[in-house]
This record gives sequence, C-alpha cells and structure tokens, in this order.
Amino acid sequence: GAGVSQTPSNKVTEKGKYVELRCDPISGHTALYWYRQSLGQGPEFLIYFQGTGAADDSGLPNDRFFAVRPEGSVSTLKIQRTERGDSAVYLCASSPTSGGAVDTQYFGPGTRLTVL
Amino acid sequence: GNSVTQMEGPVTLSEEAFLTINCTYTATGYPSLFWYVQYPGEGLQLLLKATKADDKGSNKGFEATYRKETTSFHLEKGSVQVSDSAVYFCALSSGGSYIPTFGRGTSLIVHP
Repeated sequence: GAGVSQTPSNKVTEKGKYVELRCDPISGHTALYWYRQSLGQGPEFLIYFQGTGAADDSGLPNDRFFAVRPEGSVSTLKIQRTERGDSAVYLCASSPTSGGAVDTQYFGPGTRLTVL
Repeated sequence: GNSVTQMEGPVTLSEEAFLTINCTYTATGYPSLFWYVQYPGEGLQLLLKATKADDKGSNKGFEATYRKETTSFHLEKGSVQVSDSAVYFCALSSGGSYIPTFGRGTSLIVHP
C-alpha cells in the first residue's frame, strides 16, 4: 500500500507568515509523529498523536507551533509568525500500534520549509 | 537524558570495502537500539534494530550488535555497494518511550 505522504514537498515563505504542513499517514496507523530535522542533524521530536489526541507535545519549541489530527488520520502542523530559524525539513512518521519502545515508525519524505 | 553519538562523516569507500559506522549511546534503563537509513530523495527507513543486550540486528547485509558493556551499537557491512550510499542514523528509545532519540547521522559515499 501507499506509504506516508507529506505535502508540500517544498515550501518557501517570508518571515512572519503562517504555514501549514500536511501529513497523510499509512491507512490504519493510529500513531503519528512530527519531527524537525535541521541541516546536519538528526530528527528532533515535536509531537506525537495517538488517534485524534496529542499524547505528547513536549517537543514543540514554542506556542507558534501547533498540530491537529481531527479525524485520527491526516495531520496538519501549523506554524504562526514564521522565523528564519524555523527553516528545516519537517518529517512525519506513523506506526500501527499504540506505541512502545520497539514500534517501527514509517517516515514520509518530509517537507522542506525555507523562511526568507 | 538520552543521547546518541555517531562518527562524523562523510565516510568514503570503494565498492566491496568493509564498512563500520560507530555509534555509542547514553540512556536511562534498558534502551532499544536502531539504525535508520535515508537514501537520497527518500524518507527515513528502519534498517535494523536490537532490543536487548547481545542481540544482533541484521538486514540487507548490514549488522549491528547491542553491546551493553561498551554502550555501543556499531553498524557493519562486509562489502558495500554503490547503492548503499545514503545517510545512516543511529537511534535509541528507552523507558517504554515511543519517541526515538537520533544521532546526527553519518553520510556514506561508495565509489565504483
């Protein structure tokens, strides 16, 4: 079946603008994760959903970042008043179970966000 | 807290050479350990994993052994191919957490 998809693949915006990044997980996966990957770094956790609810949002850097998953499938990461430091690749992953140390996460190709 | 340290890249090898990418970790409890691979233009993929000490994860000719005494999980392959060129990430999760901590990644470049 189809893997995790993310749109857009690239997004260029101006400082101060609002952006939305979309993630379509693998059908039937209950867990969904957002990460941010800066150049030369590994992915850093942002937020984790179990179904429709955010089970852990401790990685969100500040209140300009927000994510939703209203129907337990597609998720949108929203960034308000973007700053140049928000420029990174935003990764989405999903997994089929409720979570646990050995769950395999399936990653999307990412959205490259550039804030000018 | 948890952390993962990988050798810096890029690692440049000729085809059929032996590969080692070092990974050491610091973690609370008894972590599970992972290697992810990111091929050019693609998303991260789980390459292999090990969930307890002395376990060996293996896939596609790659191997890594969970060494608790040295807190290491080095990735090895006996004979690399050009198609192995990618970025490799070591990661861990511990304490029942579903959220992996990733290393910075090591770029591997294999020349024909």
